[in-house]
Amino acid sequence: SQELEQSPQSLIVQEGKNLTINCTSSKTLYGLYWYKQKYGEGLIFLMMLQKGGEEKSHEKITAKLDEKKQQSSLHITASQPSHAGIYLCGADMRTGNQFYFGTGTSLTVIP
Amino acid sequence: NAGVTQTPKFRVLKTGQSMTLLCAQDMNHEYMYWYRQDPGMGLRLIHYSVGEGTTAKGEVPDGYNVSRLKKQNFLLGLESAAPSQTSVYFCASMEGGRNEQFFGPGTRLTVL
Repeated sequence: SQELEQSPQSLIVQEGKNLTINCTSSKTLYGLYWYKQKYGEGLIFLMMLQKGGEEKSHEKITAKLDEKKQQSSLHITASQPSHAGIYLCGADMRTGNQFYFGTGTSLTVIP
Repeated sequence: NAGVTQTPKFRVLKTGQSMTLLCAQDMNHEYMYWYRQDPGMGLRLIHYSVGEGTTAKGEVPDGYNVSRLKKQNFLLGLESAAPSQTSVYFCASMEGGRNEQFFGPGTRLTVL
């Protein structure tokens, strides 16, 4: 969706390296959701952020929502091959009951 | 719990044929969604439902119809398939309010 810009489109990193994926909107993000999709499969929920400045971590993945609630980042520390997949951000912009998704970031981790 | 299931997993249609995709959830969720995923386009919302008997249009509703006769099921219909409807279709459900969506495994549809 053009409502959400995700960058980069693709990322290839060496195992053990850190990386960051960004999700940006021109509108206020009342709820920001990060999902992971393995190739050819459905989406798996990672984290949800709702408050400006909020930060959540799960294992080696940290997600943040900026104070203005228009940008979120997903940071992976010491990447592993199991982190490979497509990462998508989704957002609730309080436009009815619709959710919008970014175009996704394809992550490849080279052992 | 099976979560969200989709039937079928794969389908090939000829232009002009019709078909129905079935989504079922066993979590008693109020909200259900149909998305399509295309390369470079991300997920785009086709139709959604906020409860049994209700449906609403999303971002790309043309060429599709939906029905939610039972709370646990959300059907997506293609009356006259077109090659532009070749895509991967995902169903999702969500508890009421602003929570995460749970996704099905997807249906890969090819229209020749």
